[in-house]
Amino acid sequence: QQQVKQSPQSLIVQKGGIPIINCAYENTAFDYFPWYQQFPGKGPALLIAIRPDVSEKKEGRFTISFNKSAKQFSLHIMDSQPGDSATYFCAASIGGSTLGRLYFGRGTQLTVWP
Amino acid sequence: NAGVTQTPKFRVLKTGQSMTLLCAQDMNHEYMYWYRQDPGMGLRLIHYSVGEGTTAKGEVPDGYNVSRLKKQNFLLGLESAAPSQTSVYFCASSSTRGTGAPAAFFGQGTRLTVV
Repeated sequence: QQQVKQSPQSLIVQKGGIPIINCAYENTAFDYFPWYQQFPGKGPALLIAIRPDVSEKKEGRFTISFNKSAKQFSLHIMDSQPGDSATYFCAASIGGSTLGRLYFGRGTQLTVWP
Repeated sequence: NAGVTQTPKFRVLKTGQSMTLLCAQDMNHEYMYWYRQDPGMGLRLIHYSVGEGTTAKGEVPDGYNVSRLKKQNFLLGLESAAPSQTSVYFCASSSTRGTGAPAAFFGQGTRLTVV
């Protein structure tokens, strides 16, 4: 059973566009929602993360929007650049003894055309 | 500061052979994880460890064993490799010290092909 559902599977935008990647979850015990960026041949790297007590978090051109009641969160990339072309994974985690155990979405392959 | 280092980076195995993947982290993290990544499937947790000498099963543990004899190392073993275990394997470590957020750091991956 997929704990975190991610869409779309792939996304193509022009340079300067604002790609949006959406994720949804069911388990209300999740209390930490990171996004990871992965380039070909590399491991995933933490991009930005949010906790459910805030509705939005911005770091540079990357913004997470969080809707606790709908159990959904999304990643927005402002002024996208060809260098942002990568696979993006949303994830969710529960605290406690398994702190850091991440449940991943299936990923979105983003292509930004120059 | 190397972070999380995985060895080997590539390996081809024949069906039935065994091998061990090594993960080493130099950040003094308590938690370590092994994930596998398959096209269209995201990353799925195989096994994890919350401390030296402890291990637990993740989502897809069958066919794998792990050991964490030292805090900095987490080993993933395949006793009898099968073609279904062809995948890219990632090790990760995490800690909450300082930020309180369980940031996970990943290694570069091991691409395993079982023929």
